[in-house]
Amino acid sequence: GAGVSQSPRYKVAKRGQDVALRCDPISGHVSLFWYQQALGQGPEFLTYFQNEAQLDKSGLPSDRFFAERPEGSVSTLKIQRTQQEDSAVYLCASSLGSVGVNTGELFFGEGSRLTVL
Amino acid sequence: TQLLEQSPQFLSIQEGENLTVYCNSSSVFSSLQWYRQEPGEGPVLLVTVVTGGEVKKLKRLTFQFGDARKDSSLHITAAQPGDTGLYLCAGGDNYGQNFVFGPGTRLSVLP
Repeated sequence: GAGVSQSPRYKVAKRGQDVALRCDPISGHVSLFWYQQALGQGPEFLTYFQNEAQLDKSGLPSDRFFAERPEGSVSTLKIQRTQQEDSAVYLCASSLGSVGVNTGELFFGEGSRLTVL
Repeated sequence: TQLLEQSPQFLSIQEGENLTVYCNSSSVFSSLQWYRQEPGEGPVLLVTVVTGGEVKKLKRLTFQFGDARKDSSLHITAAQPGDTGLYLCAGGDNYGQNFVFGPGTRLSVLP
């Protein structure tokens, strides 16, 4: 497809399980962002990639969160030993630009809604 | 940490009314973007403003960036039910590496 694709759309996990969320950005987009959006809130920055390099991971809430983009295209956000507070929508966004292109439009996927029981 | 505040948090109006929502920060941003998000969807970009004092119009929507590049407003004229959604502002840093989002204004336009 032409847009950002995320899977799964919905994930229910038992507390303590590991989950992996996938993001397929728009082809050719250099930048890829992960955001966490709690119910009724705006997206909170998690991490940013420029191609395969993870340039900023300051928003990851704990060491249970890990993201990778090994070939500079598809990215995976992994959450280990999930907790109830991890329940949220995880949004992936890609952008054509890179460092210095500070007006780049972010194209968002539909998100992966994670519910931890 | 750069923080963005948005007001009002919720707004419910009748079709045809005008409204203004606000985005404020104590920090200076190199650019500011407005997005609209509908339930079950990701945010979609409406506009980017980069110059202090800049005004941009998109049909019935008017966006303004404050002179000091710390705040912005979105004015909607003659609101329609299709304008219903969560309006998010996002401030960009100098390197384009991080966009900080506000909490959003949830707008409901009743027919």
